Amino acid sequence: DIQMTQSPSTLSASVGDRVTITCRASQSISTWLAWYQRKPGKAPNLLIYKASSLESGVPSRFRGSGSGTEFTLTISSLQPDDFATYFCQQYNSFPLTFGGGTKVDIK
Amino acid sequence: QVQLEESGGGVVQPGRSLRLSCTASGFTFSDYTMHWVRQAPGKGLEWVAVISYDGSDKQYADSVKGRFTISRDDSKNTLDLQISSLRGEDTAMYFCARDWGQVWFFDYWGQGTLVTVSS
Repeated sequence: DIQMTQSPSTLSASVGDRVTITCRASQSISTWLAWYQRKPGKAPNLLIYKASSLESGVPSRFRGSGSGTEFTLTISSLQPDDFATYFCQQYNSFPLTFGGGTKVDIK
Repeated sequence: QVQLEESGGGVVQPGRSLRLSCTASGFTFSDYTMHWVRQAPGKGLEWVAVISYDGSDKQYADSVKGRFTISRDDSKNTLDLQISSLRGEDTAMYFCARDWGQVWFFDYWGQGTLVTVSS
């Protein structure tokens, strides 16, 4: 199975900050990576797929990059609505696997 | 708009069975591959199973193979997960999710249904 390791697990930031979250795969997954946002009591929301493609309707302040085994999700200017948990998912091969999540909270 | 609503969760004794359902609306259900994903308390997300848009292909996580069965009823727009021989480690929130386009990531998720395995 491909292990996905996210860091940090928690991140404290302020509105307007640039935030970067990292996801590492235990083996190469090319660009078969998605990023999601999840808020308490709500369904997860797809942000990025194929490592860097922005899902329709997602604000352009979200940017994904990387390939192979190292990936990043960057929020260029954190907004109040962005305080949430973010997680990555590889879809290079079954079983599909997820990162442990990064909680972005208010500093 | 696309909506996925899970149901069927509850408190169940170890060894018993349970059937979870996911009712879909707002899209042509029969066009889409569908998944189940779960999250145990304090743990990360775990992919459970997938069924192709036409029901011809099913895959399962090793942790549930032989005990879980995924199925769909396109006439009712429902996705099911039959769980048998429940174990404590099956305690989790179970989510159904729509595949973006048979590419194995998810563009819509439900809010989940909680399964608690306890005597």
